[in-house]
Amino acid sequence: DIQMTQSPSSLSASVGDRVTITCQASQDISNYVNWYQQKPGRAPKLLIYDASNLEAGVPSRFSGSASGTEFSFTISSLQPEDFATYYCQQFDVLPLTFGGGTKVDLK
Amino acid sequence: QVHLRESGPGLVKPSETLSLTCSVSGGSITNYYYTWIRQPPGKGLEWIGYVHYSGSASYNPSLNSRATMSVDTSNSLLSLTLTSVTAADTAIYFCARGRAVWGTYLDYWGQGILVTVSS
Repeated sequence: DIQMTQSPSSLSASVGDRVTITCQASQDISNYVNWYQQKPGRAPKLLIYDASNLEAGVPSRFSGSASGTEFSFTISSLQPEDFATYYCQQFDVLPLTFGGGTKVDLK
Repeated sequence: QVHLRESGPGLVKPSETLSLTCSVSGGSITNYYYTWIRQPPGKGLEWIGYVHYSGSASYNPSLNSRATMSVDTSNSLLSLTLTSVTAADTAIYFCARGRAVWGTYLDYWGQGILVTVSS
């Protein structure tokens, strides 16, 4: 299975901060990465697909990028509704696998 | 608006079979892949597998052939069975609709159902 090593596992930030989360893939997966947001008690929500494409209806403060086997997810200016857990997911090879998650909470 | 809703027993005894259903409404069930994902309480996400509306399916090898998925296009229903469950199968189970091959872009999700394996 492809391992997606996500970091950090948690971070504390303030409203307005720039936040970056990374996922390191265990092998080359091209740009086959999605990013999801999950709030407590809710299902995950697709934010970014194909490493850098914004899902319809998702605010433009969310973005993604790729460099080799490292994938980054950025919130340019953290909003109160963005406190949640974020997951990367690879889809280059089955089984689909997720990173361990990054919990973003209020500093 | 597409809606998915999981249903089934919230408690299953060890060694028995877990059976869940996912109803799909608000759109055609055809032309998509449907994925089951689970999340142990307080932990991360695990892909169980997908079923295509045509009936073809693929499963996570980590489940050791215990999972079976099917689709009933006439009634817009999906099903998941997991045999020989143990406490390690305790999780919130989500069904999700996926765009593209293997259902890689999971754009609509059910709210999830907590299944506890305990005697």
